[in-house]
Amino acid sequence: GEDVEQSLFLSVREGDSSVINCTYTDSSSTYLYWYKQEPGAGLQLLTYIFSNMDMKQDQRLTVLLNKKDKHLSLRIADTQTGDSAIYFCAESMTSGGSYIPTFGRGTSLIVHP
Amino acid sequence: DGGITQSPKYLFRKEGQNVTLSCEQNLNHDAMYWYRQDPGQGLRLIYYSQIVNDFQKGDIAEGYSVSREKKESFPLTVTSAQKNPTAFYLCASSSGALAYTFGSGTRLTVV
Repeated sequence: GEDVEQSLFLSVREGDSSVINCTYTDSSSTYLYWYKQEPGAGLQLLTYIFSNMDMKQDQRLTVLLNKKDKHLSLRIADTQTGDSAIYFCAESMTSGGSYIPTFGRGTSLIVHP
Repeated sequence: DGGITQSPKYLFRKEGQNVTLSCEQNLNHDAMYWYRQDPGQGLRLIYYSQIVNDFQKGDIAEGYSVSREKKESFPLTVTSAQKNPTAFYLCASSSGALAYTFGSGTRLTVV
């Protein structure tokens, strides 16, 4: 079955880069996503990558996809205290016209001065 | 502004009571979803609906019920059969792979 794994915590110093890692098991995944959740709020889509891509860059965010190893990473450059949140990795594929994502457990990113 | 509204933000339930969580969207999305979030466990799918008057069980549907009488609305009832209902509940809607939108959640506590 589908499974998405990610580490639960990451602590970084303000100004450093953060790298959050994720592994997934379903090789037929079409889309891979990173969502951000701030305390007491819902999830917001940060960025995504199609399964036929290796890398995507969007301002401070860089997503790397290694399909062979089924490994996805999110790099946040120049991490700020406002980046402190829970980051969820997710995958989805087309199934009868639906795209229900499977989420990891989330990585809590703590940014300290 | 288009979006998803969940209400109430906080809800308290007594033992043996049914409670209903509201989820309304004005994004014209066909599909709607309910998730449960527990600390360290990520999001688990409770129910989802891809069209009006139709819905399917997710991974943890026991003790929950839903209805989808209108496109805009997908209420979730937490019944007394749900033995451990204290959690953060998230509603979402989508019109495709890149249009998955979440509400701001309801925190349910059993007292």
